[in-house]
Amino acid sequence: DAGVTQTPRHEVAEKGQTIILKCEPVSGHNDLFWYRQTKIQGLELLSYFRSKSLMEDGGAFKDRFKAEMLNSSFSTLKIQPTEPKDSAVYLCASSLDPLNTEVFFGKGTRLTVV
Amino acid sequence: TQTVSQSDAHVTVFEGDSVELRCNYSYGGSIYLSWYIQHHGRGLQFLLKYYSGNPVVQGVNGFEAEFSKSDSSFHLRKASVHWSDSAVYFCAVRDYTGGADRLTFGKGTQLIIQP
Repeated sequence: DAGVTQTPRHEVAEKGQTIILKCEPVSGHNDLFWYRQTKIQGLELLSYFRSKSLMEDGGAFKDRFKAEMLNSSFSTLKIQPTEPKDSAVYLCASSLDPLNTEVFFGKGTRLTVV
Repeated sequence: TQTVSQSDAHVTVFEGDSVELRCNYSYGGSIYLSWYIQHHGRGLQFLLKYYSGNPVVQGVNGFEAEFSKSDSSFHLRKASVHWSDSAVYFCAVRDYTGGADRLTFGKGTQLIIQP
């Protein structure tokens, strides 16, 4: 059974570019999370979907970050336009349902904005 | 403001020592507490969780954690660490209070195992 799959593993973008990160959750999972991870801030929630409905949009990340869940097995995170401060590891995670707190994480996409 | 606090950014012990990684939270209402481990260059992996019942919960690889409502804590412990336990450990709170559903992580504690 496949875990959470994220592509690409590494992305380098120029300031101002649009990038799209992809995520496939564990098959059958209904909850999907996007987090940004940096050494200073730790894990920051960007978006949370439950059964494809957006439940949390990460507040401060609204203006340039947009996550979508096109179907139950695929999600994207678009950053537009990118800025150097967006350099971080972006983690996608999924869980079976709200009452199941075992969350499965992908290996992440390391984004570098130059 | 609801928070998850891991007071130690780094903890260093020798292989075979016991270790306790601290986690304190400031939430009310219905919450789940859990711990995750992240080895270098990899995603987070689930270790254990607590919601109700016995305040001491067992996880994988000999880890356990103890919930204390009076201290608002959920500390992680291991009796005898192995070099492979070197990683960053994250405490997490899933908060269901007031119809919200939010999974919040502490900033992590890096466990360094010396030979």
